[in-house]
Amino acid sequence: EAQVTQNPRYLITVTGKKLTVTCSQNMNHEYMSWYRQDPGLGLRQIYYSMNVEVTDKGDVPEGYKVSRKEKRNFPLILESPSPNQTSLYFCASSTDRGRDTEAFFGQGTRLTVV
Amino acid sequence: LAKTTQPISMDSYEGQEVNITCSHNNIATNDYITWYQQFPSQGPRFIIQGYKTKVTNEVASLFIPADRKSSTLSLPRVSLSDTAVYYCLVGEGPGNTGKLIFGQGTTLQVKP
Repeated sequence: EAQVTQNPRYLITVTGKKLTVTCSQNMNHEYMSWYRQDPGLGLRQIYYSMNVEVTDKGDVPEGYKVSRKEKRNFPLILESPSPNQTSLYFCASSTDRGRDTEAFFGQGTRLTVV
Repeated sequence: LAKTTQPISMDSYEGQEVNITCSHNNIATNDYITWYQQFPSQGPRFIIQGYKTKVTNEVASLFIPADRKSSTLSLPRVSLSDTAVYYCLVGEGPGNTGKLIFGQGTTLQVKP
C-alpha cells in the first residue's frame, strides 16, 4: 500500500530537549516536504527536498532542520524545541511530474513542547 | 500561486449532493485546480484534479468553466463520513518545491 509514515504520532517534550520526527514513503517519490498546521494559520511549509541531499527552506524554517540521506526518508529535527513549536506536523511526498501531481500526506505528529 | 476563495462553511444532509465553489480569478494558463479533503487530526487527502471542463472519479466531480476563474467540487449523495474540511488549490502542483498553499478551506458538516 502506498503510504507516508510518520513517527511518533504524539509527542510531549520539554523545552530544549532535541527531538526527531521521522518520515518515510514507499512510493519512490522525489519530492518530500514538512508542514505544520496551526489554528487560524492553516498549513505552512517548513522545509522541502527535491531529491537525495537536496533540501531547501519553506515558509517557516526557523528552529527546524532536515536531512535527506535516502530517497525514502526525510526526518524533521528540532535541535532545541520551544513552546511555539507546539503544533500538528505533516510530512508529504510527491512525484516529479510537475504540475499535474498529487501529494500524499502522513498521518500527522502532534507535538507539545512544555 | 493563484489565490483562492471558498465559503468558510457549508451544511448538508445525508444523501444530498453538495457543491462547493472555489473562485480563482488570477489563475495562470499552466495552473491546475486540485481539491484536498482533511479530517480532524489527519493529513490532507487528494480528491480530484483538473485543468478544464469536467473531471469525474469514484468520489467526486470537478466542473471547470471555460474561463477557468472558478471551479466547483461536486460530492454526490454525501454521508456523515464526508464531514471534513475541503481545500481548493490552484497552481503548478507540488512538483517544483513540494509546496502546496492551503487556504482556510470549506468546513462541510453533514447532518443525519
